[in-house]
Amino acid sequence: RKEVEQDPGPFNVPEGATVAFNCTYSNSASQSFFWYRQDCRKEPKLLMSVYSSGNEDGRFTAQLNRASQYISLLIRDSKLSDSATYLCVVNMASGTYKYIFGTGTRLKVLA
Amino acid sequence: ETGVTQSPTHLIKTRGQQVTLRCSSQSGHNTVSWYQQALGQGPQFIFQYYREEENGRGNFPPRFSGLQFPNYSSELNVNALELDDSALYLCASSLPPGQGDYEQYFGPGTRLTVT
Repeated sequence: RKEVEQDPGPFNVPEGATVAFNCTYSNSASQSFFWYRQDCRKEPKLLMSVYSSGNEDGRFTAQLNRASQYISLLIRDSKLSDSATYLCVVNMASGTYKYIFGTGTRLKVLA
Repeated sequence: ETGVTQSPTHLIKTRGQQVTLRCSSQSGHNTVSWYQQALGQGPQFIFQYYREEENGRGNFPPRFSGLQFPNYSSELNVNALELDDSALYLCASSLPPGQGDYEQYFGPGTRLTVT
């Protein structure tokens, strides 16, 4: 079983739609969680950190469920510019950075 | 604030050769991590440097080695290149472990092709 699993997609949605991605992780001792966005042939860029209390940044909402070991990302009112690959990331231990990435979920927002 | 920079942007090498990739961390960040991203995959952790010492390593063979310099910049060296080493190599910088929220910031990457 992979340490971090995501549905690779692609998710093709019309502009204005709401889309949700889920990600599961296998190590219950994982410490911190993130969503990164990666455009084609570019570097990953931090979208948001994910906290147990949930957090929101504009149209983006992230949730963490430690009991079920999954992370979610909700995008409301999708824009064409949201088209990208969304990477779920788990940091496996405190005291070090050892990011474990999922394979990413591709999103295409259609006009 | 200066972001993470990497050089070169692209590189073509032959199997068996050696390569050195370079990274300058973001201003104020003294921890550098390296990742390998194959096509269609998420990045895979190679190793991390903090205070000029390796501070964690992923499942990569010893022919992948690194250095960190007093100015926090870093090098990734790969010996005896194999075709499967063809990938995007990403450098990420961050605050020291235990400070902040463990957020990392990535450079633009070096795309290595081994023929």
